[in-house]
Amino acid sequence: AQSVTQLGSHVSVSEGALVLLRCNYSSSVPPYLFWYVQYPNQGLQLLLKYTTGATLVKGINGFEAEFKKSETSFHLTKPSAHMSDAAEYFCAVTEVGRTSYDKVIFGPGTSLSVIP
Amino acid sequence: NAGVTQTPKFQVLKTGQSMTLQCAQDMNHEYMSWYRQDPGMGLRLIHYSVGAGITDQGEVPNGYNVSRSTTEDFPLRLLSAAPSQTSVYFCASSYYAGVIQETQYFGPGTRLLVL
Repeated sequence: AQSVTQLGSHVSVSEGALVLLRCNYSSSVPPYLFWYVQYPNQGLQLLLKYTTGATLVKGINGFEAEFKKSETSFHLTKPSAHMSDAAEYFCAVTEVGRTSYDKVIFGPGTSLSVIP
Repeated sequence: NAGVTQTPKFQVLKTGQSMTLQCAQDMNHEYMSWYRQDPGMGLRLIHYSVGAGITDQGEVPNGYNVSRSTTEDFPLRLLSAAPSQTSVYFCASSYYAGVIQETQYFGPGTRLLVL
């Protein structure tokens, strides 16, 4: 079964500093990878996704992520943090079904705080 | 276009009671899923469906039932509520063409407290 790990349950950065949120997955086949963001008391919304093609993926609000197959990683970055980036971030991967249908598995999440 | 709607927004149950969490989407999505969110554990998949009449279990299905009689609706039933089911429940939907590579759209969530 697929698993998703996110290093660091809580990350704090200063406003204007680089944001780096880590995601690693376990898979022996090329996966479909996603980053979702959750603002307080809201549902999740998609930031970006990787399916095929270019391994550097750009998303909304200045975020991007790079798929590195050799490292089984899909880290999320943003060059300059803004106060409005404070939220919970979730990495997710599609588990391609062999004896069942595909399903999406989420990591435990990383809470991002931005310090003025 | 309302997207994904969930009712109720908040519910308090006593141990042993049953209830149904409602989820509906108006985007004609084939794939629908239920997750529970608990602190430090992210979102865990309870049940999911790839179309009307087709459902399957996720990571934590025990104590929950689902059915999918229409494309639009995907209710989650708690048969006999337990305090361990206290959580925030999210419903999500997406297009499905044999593989899940499309965006999942999430509802606003239902907060459930079981006493």
